[in-house]
Amino acid sequence: GESVGLHLPTLSVQEGDNSIINCAYSNSASDYFIWYKQESGKGPQFIIDIRSNMDKRQGQRVTVLLNKTVKHLSLQIAATQPGDSAVYFCAEITTSNTGKLIFGQGTTLQVKP
Amino acid sequence: EPEVTQTPSHQVTQMGQEVILRCVPISNHLYFYWYRQILGQKVEFLVSFYNNEISEKSEIFDDQFSVERPDGSNFTLKIRSTKLEDSAMYFCASSGTTTGQPQHFGDGTRLSIL
Repeated sequence: GESVGLHLPTLSVQEGDNSIINCAYSNSASDYFIWYKQESGKGPQFIIDIRSNMDKRQGQRVTVLLNKTVKHLSLQIAATQPGDSAVYFCAEITTSNTGKLIFGQGTTLQVKP
Repeated sequence: EPEVTQTPSHQVTQMGQEVILRCVPISNHLYFYWYRQILGQKVEFLVSFYNNEISEKSEIFDDQFSVERPDGSNFTLKIRSTKLEDSAMYFCASSGTTTGQPQHFGDGTRLSIL
């Protein structure tokens, strides 16, 4: 069945270091991918997205990499700050369908001061 | 920046009672969704809604669930006869003019069934 998973449930980094959060997806038909950040008591917050015709996309302090050959996504956060502490989810969509998001399990990012 | 708003933030209900969760999506969005998240787990899709009808629903979305867009601004999720296992966070999301645009989420309603 369809699934999107993350490799590590928890990632602990020092403030100022770079963070890399990984995600594997299984549906070859997925053509649009989104990273969300979820803080305690809040809804998922959009961070960055990437379409399947790209392999890299950069935002402010964040970069998403897509490797379609091995069905792998990663989120890189530069100069991680305490405010980056949250649960991060990758999600996939097959845009020719209804747009439902399939979420992975989530990685908890802990930033140590 | 426009945002999705959900009410109430917390709903406590006796098992077997009906609940209605309310959402106001972003005003120019056309695609609407409900998701739920059981404590400590991933977010799960419930239903998608476009052009005033359900476009897809998951196995979770059984006959006890229904959605409605009663006017041009609200989007509701009704659970007719709640069960203990319906306890979860329920998130509403909306996206713009195509399915290939980011979905924006509200902060959810925590539903507690006693």
